[in-house]
Amino acid sequence: DIVMSQSPESLAVSLGERATINCKSSQSVLYSSNNKNYLGWYQQKPGQPPKVLIYWASTRESGVPDRFSGSGSGTDFTLTISSLQAEDVAVYYCQQYYNTPYTFGQGTKLEIK
Amino acid sequence: EVQLVESGGGLVQPGGSLRLSCAASGFMFSDYAMHWVRQAPGKGLEGVSAINKDGDSTAYAKSVQGRFTISRDNSKNTLYLQMGSLRVEDMAVYYCARGKQWLDSWGQGTLVTVSS
Repeated sequence: DIVMSQSPESLAVSLGERATINCKSSQSVLYSSNNKNYLGWYQQKPGQPPKVLIYWASTRESGVPDRFSGSGSGTDFTLTISSLQAEDVAVYYCQQYYNTPYTFGQGTKLEIK
Repeated sequence: EVQLVESGGGLVQPGGSLRLSCAASGFMFSDYAMHWVRQAPGKGLEGVSAINKDGDSTAYAKSVQGRFTISRDNSKNTLYLQMGSLRVEDMAVYYCARGKQWLDSWGQGTLVTVSS
């Protein structure tokens, strides 16, 4: 199975500041035939199921604010929140969908400083 | 509106069995691969099992291989997870999720408690 590793495990950022979460996969999730990275980012708030924010490593899901962006390719990826809002407090997960069953990073808990 | 509603969770003794169901509505169920993802209390997400849209290809996490069976009934728009030889470490909220690629819709989950 592809192992996904996230850093940091937790992060405290001031309102309006930038938050950056990193994700590394144990093997490339870039599919050469279509040049797409099979990598998604999810947000989970307490008591709720996860919600997809980003897919194909950098495509925002419809309705997701543009302060959320994804970057990276191959094995190294980043989720950036450009200006943290109070409603962004949550746990964030990266996930590969290159192979089934899908695997997730261990999560990054984002809090307000 | 896409809806996924899980049911069948509950308390079961170690070694016991349970069958989870996920009723889908608001989309063409037979067009989508489906997944089960679980979350142990206070822990992260684990992909448990996946099934293709026709039901003839499945995949399992190593942690459940040989104990769990995923299936679907496209005529009833329902996904299933048959869980056997349950262990304490299987205790979790089990979510069903829709996903041709990424998981774009999730249910609210059903809690499975494994305890004597």
